[in-house]
Amino acid sequence: AQKVTQAQTEISVVEKEDVTLDCVYETRDTTYYLFWYKQPPSGELVFLIRRNSFDEQNEISGRYSWNFQKSTSSFNFTITASQVVDSAVYFCALSEATEFQGGKLIFGQGTELSVKP
Amino acid sequence: GAVVSQHPSWVICKSGTSVKIECRSLDFQATTMFWYRQFPKQSLMLMATSNEGSKATYEQGVEKDKFLINHASLTLSTLTVTSAHPEDSSFYICSAEHEQYFGPGTRLTVT
Repeated sequence: AQKVTQAQTEISVVEKEDVTLDCVYETRDTTYYLFWYKQPPSGELVFLIRRNSFDEQNEISGRYSWNFQKSTSSFNFTITASQVVDSAVYFCALSEATEFQGGKLIFGQGTELSVKP
Repeated sequence: GAVVSQHPSWVICKSGTSVKIECRSLDFQATTMFWYRQFPKQSLMLMATSNEGSKATYEQGVEKDKFLINHASLTLSTLTVTSAHPEDSSFYICSAEHEQYFGPGTRLTVT
């Protein structure tokens, strides 16, 4: 069965600190996709990244970076030099859908990040 | 980029009444849409997969007679919460076709 675990329920940091959000997943499929979303207080989900199971290269986008390790079934998300605007709930998600169909997502419990000035 | 809209953004209704939530893909066609529900301080849970021109597929534990889904066109899926009760109060959010295209959500409060 598929499962996504975000063990950190809440994290509080001071602005400019680096912070890593953990995500561990379970799946029996060899082809799957992993995602990170940001959910600010407004409630809408903001897509951050999608990574397929065959691409273990780490990704960097500005202050955001992602570390995907199949050996430990983890897909961790790091924010460098955090800012107050990064305060939100972050969700990690898993999908076993094919590339062109879009898919059902299994979400982790979410990590609420609070960045204090 | 692709945009998904939802209407209404929030709604308050009385217990026992029905409420309809719309999910529209604004600049692309979506043969498949997904409906999720999120209770306060909780994660998103998939309720059902809406397929254009055919019946929706419901996840285990979701009452199909209570949550009616209609996907009559390639740009519109509707979720109707029938005989709503306070425990149905939640944030309902749809996604269209691809995982990065989520609507802004609809906050339902049943009094």
